[in-house]
Amino acid sequence: EDQVTQSPEALRLQEGESSSLNCSYTVSGLRGLFWYRQDPGKGPEFLFTLYSAGEEKEKERLKATLTKKESFLHITAPKPEDSATYLCAVSSGGGADGLTFGKGTHLIIQP
Amino acid sequence: EPEVTQTPSHQVTQMGQEVILRCVPISNHLYFYWYRQILGQKVEFLVSFYNNEISEKSEIFDDQFSVERPDGSNFTLKIRSTKLEDSAMYFCVSRGNNEQFFGPGTRLTVL
Repeated sequence: EDQVTQSPEALRLQEGESSSLNCSYTVSGLRGLFWYRQDPGKGPEFLFTLYSAGEEKEKERLKATLTKKESFLHITAPKPEDSATYLCAVSSGGGADGLTFGKGTHLIIQP
Repeated sequence: EPEVTQTPSHQVTQMGQEVILRCVPISNHLYFYWYRQILGQKVEFLVSFYNNEISEKSEIFDDQFSVERPDGSNFTLKIRSTKLEDSAMYFCVSRGNNEQFFGPGTRLTVL
């Protein structure tokens, strides 16, 4: 059974204070690792897909990296509008399989 | 930018009643999914749908649930006899390549 564990559960940073969110996973054959952003009462918003260890992707102040056991979402010089819950999910096997999500990291950026 | 739409945004129903949640996926996508998120909990996979049939379903997706693509554009989730524990946000997802795009969700409240 696929498992995804995210840490920390919550993180409060000052504006401009960089940090990283962790996603540890256990899967039988990783097909893809996904990062989403979720605002309260909204659907998850797609950020990145990573496919293999060593891969990195960037978007504005966010950078996602992947190893064989975990992924990091690095946030550089965050702004208050980056406040959200960040979700990690994995896809394994083949075909139209569903994603297994972690509980998320609730990020608050204080001005 | 194409997006997934869902109706209604909020549905209130009495326990034991049938509900139908509707979705319009992104055109040209071939894989469709339903997920749910109980308040304060992780996003959970319910079912995947491809080529007009179910590809995969989770343990949550029991005989009370069904999915349909009645007219080639809409995608529906039916819950035959709602229970209190069915109260959750239900997300329709449309997949292009390997990226799953979430709709805004339908908040289902079962009284």
